Amino acid sequence: QKEVEQNSGPLSVPEGAIASLNCTYSDRGSQSFFWYRQYSGKSPELIMSIYSNGDKEDGRFTAQLNKASQYVSLLIRDSQPSDSATYLCAVNPNEFSGGYNKLIFGAGTRLAVHP
Amino acid sequence: GAVVSQHPSRVICKSGTSVKIECRSLDFQATTMFWYRQFPKQSLMLMATSNEGSKATYEQGVEKDKFLINHASLTLSTLTVTSAHPEDSSFYICSADLTSGRSLYGEQFFGPGTRLTVL
Repeated sequence: QKEVEQNSGPLSVPEGAIASLNCTYSDRGSQSFFWYRQYSGKSPELIMSIYSNGDKEDGRFTAQLNKASQYVSLLIRDSQPSDSATYLCAVNPNEFSGGYNKLIFGAGTRLAVHP
Repeated sequence: GAVVSQHPSRVICKSGTSVKIECRSLDFQATTMFWYRQFPKQSLMLMATSNEGSKATYEQGVEKDKFLINHASLTLSTLTVTSAHPEDSSFYICSADLTSGRSLYGEQFFGPGTRLTVL
């Protein structure tokens, strides 16, 4: 059973601080990793993707991948109240069954940024 | 780019009726689309994978005769909830995979979702 684990939270951080979200996965052969943001009552929105070890930065977001330790993290710098949402970690286990990629999602971490 | 639409955004129906939800990729061709269901305060649950021109692949525990999926074109997949009951009330979300056209890594882009309420 391929699994993606996240702390459900809530993770509460003050405005302007760095929010650190973590995710571990079980399938060592996984190659692609994604972070989605989901506001309450809305559908998930892709915010970061990462495929190789190390850091990938996009604006206030930094994704970090360590395949040896099987974890991926998301850092949000200068957190804003508008960042308050549930963040879903998703992993592509590279299973080409019938020619398609199926993502495995974690349960999500709820982030609350307070003024 | 990578825009996925869903229609309707919200539907209320009586128990026993059928409801059809459309999922369209607006600016790319999607060989593969996915249908998820999400209950309040719970995570996404993959229901099925919809492949253009072939039968859908259902996840374990999902009734294929109740949740009919048709992927008749490269831009449209439909989910029909047949004989809906109150326990089918949920947030249904589709996504499309760019692998078929623009990505090798499996990013999925989600539609805005359809909130189904069965009375």
